[in-house]
Formats: sequence, structure tokens, C-alpha cells
Amino acid sequence: GNSVTQMEGPVTLSEEAFLTINCTYTATGYPSLFWYVQYPGEGLQLLLKATKADDKGSNKGFEATYRKETTSFHLEKGSVQVSDSAVYFCALRGGGGTSYGKLTFGQGTILTVHP
Amino acid sequence: DAGVTQSPTHLIKTRGQQVTLRCSPKSGHDTVSWYQQALGQGPQFIFQYYEEEERQRGNFPDRFSGHQFPNYSSELNVNALLLGDSALYLCASSLIGGKTDTQYFGPGTRLTVL
Repeated sequence: GNSVTQMEGPVTLSEEAFLTINCTYTATGYPSLFWYVQYPGEGLQLLLKATKADDKGSNKGFEATYRKETTSFHLEKGSVQVSDSAVYFCALRGGGGTSYGKLTFGQGTILTVHP
Repeated sequence: DAGVTQSPTHLIKTRGQQVTLRCSPKSGHDTVSWYQQALGQGPQFIFQYYEEEERQRGNFPDRFSGHQFPNYSSELNVNALLLGDSALYLCASSLIGGKTDTQYFGPGTRLTVL
């Protein structure tokens, strides 16, 4: 079945540091890939997505590139802010005829940014 | 444009009781999915409703059931509550056949089973 693996957390950075959160996946067909962010006490917000190989999703300074050859979708940001502190989830929606189906999530990575 | 809304925000029940959670999808969306998020974990897919029918189901027992109404809103019912059912329940809506079928999430209902 489909699965998503995220790097072990938590991640603690100083403001303006470079961020990378690793995400790898296992899936059949051609999945779509997503990053969601969850702020304390809130639901999930879509951060960015990519629907085919070599696509780059970007939003609010965050970027991730869909790498089919390495089955990865790593999240990056060049300069983090305190307001980026949250939990980040990598997720996939399966291809192969299940395009409208379930999202499979990684376990989440807690990011804390200090001033 | 209203986003996905869920009610209630918080709920406390005791073991063996039954609970109903409600979700209204984002305007223009026709599909609702439900997820369970245990503390410190990623969300787990429960089921998805489209055209008032359950289209896909995750690995959850029959105690978990749902319904979708003609206005696309949805309910999640859980019978015979167990302590392990304590979690944040998230509803997500999407539009099948639209330019994007990205799922948008509501704020969730926090269920505590004592």
C-alpha cells in the first residue's frame, strides 16, 4: 500500500536559517504529493502541492520538487521566521485510478523557530 | 467564501456512548472525507462520501459510520466509544472533476472519551 516517511523531528532553528524537511514515499502509479501545515490547535492548511514528476510546488517561500527517481518531495525554505513554527505533514494521494481518494500522511515534523 | 466548518469544536463522552460529528464543505465542493488524528500522529483516513454514498473506506471498524446529505454536508457517527477513539476528527472537502481535487480541511472536532 501507499506510505509516506518524514524525517525524524522535532526540528529547532534560529530565525533566518535554511530549512529542509525530508519526505519520501511509496506508491503505485503516479501519485500527487502535498505538504500541509498545522498550527497549534488548528486543522490542516494546504501549503503546496505537485501533481507530476519534476513539478515544483511553492507557496509563502516554501518549495518542494516532485522527484520520481528518488521518490521524494523534500520541503525547503531559504529563511524561516518565528511564525513558521508549526507541524508539517507530507502526504500523497494515490494515482492508478484512485485520484479522488484518500490522502496518506506522514507522521509529521514539528518545527520550532527561535528569534 | 466560507471554508470547511465543523461542529462541535470539542466533545467529551464516556466509554460506550455514541457521538455524531458534523461537517459543512467549502462552497462549491461535493465530496467530503473524514480523518482521525491521534495526538502526535498524522491523520488517518476513515472514509469518503460523494453523491451521498461511501466511496472509499480506510481501516476502521464498522462502529464508524457516516452520511452525506443532498446539500453535501456530512456526519460522522461513532458507536460504542472506546478510550482509543479520543482524537481530533478532521473533515476535508474537495470537488470531483474540478480543475483541482485538492482536499481542504476544517478546524476539526476534538473528541475526548473518558
